[in-house]
Amino acid sequence: RKEVEQDPGPFNVPEGATVAFNCTYSNSASQSFFWYRQDCRKEPKLLMSVYSSGNEDGRFTAQLNRASQYISLLIRDSKLSDSATYLCVVNMWNTGKLIFGQGTTLQVKP
Amino acid sequence: GAVVSQHPSWVICKSGTSVKIECRSLDFQATTMFWYRQFPKQSLMLMATSNEGSKATYEQGVEKDKFLINHASLTLSTLTVTSAHPEDSSFYICSAEGVGYTGELFFGEGSRLTVL
Repeated sequence: RKEVEQDPGPFNVPEGATVAFNCTYSNSASQSFFWYRQDCRKEPKLLMSVYSSGNEDGRFTAQLNRASQYISLLIRDSKLSDSATYLCVVNMWNTGKLIFGQGTTLQVKP
Repeated sequence: GAVVSQHPSWVICKSGTSVKIECRSLDFQATTMFWYRQFPKQSLMLMATSNEGSKATYEQGVEKDKFLINHASLTLSTLTVTSAHPEDSSFYICSAEGVGYTGELFFGEGSRLTVL
């Protein structure tokens, strides 16, 4: 089983739609969690950290469920510019390493 | 935010040659840098952790004699792919921890290696 699992998609949605991605992690010792965005052939860039209480940044909302070991990302009012691959990332407290999920591809259509 | 520069962005080489990729932290000192490899439609896979002034720590399955890592200063780490083969063709990305590490990594732009 992969340490961090995501549905690779692609998710094809119209502009203005709300879309949600989930990510599961296998190691309960995981310490911190992030969503990164990666555009085609580019480096990943931090989208947002994920806090236990849930957090929101504009149209983006991240949630963490430690009991079920999953993380979610909700994007409201999708824009064409949101088209990218979204990487779920977990930081292992005992090694300090970041473990990346495969990524979920989002395509927002006009 | 912090800037990490990676060079070259693209490199094409013949099989059997060696290729060096540089990763520089431009506006901060990075005691630890990470090297990742990403094949098409796959996730980033950590290859090694590079610590300034000491030997790199390689992930299981990564050949340390083939992927030479040098972290000679607080702002520069290099990855040398020795005797490259077509299966080494990939997207190589470095990243660095900033000061006051919060879990965020700053990534270089990546280097796309094609071995003919």
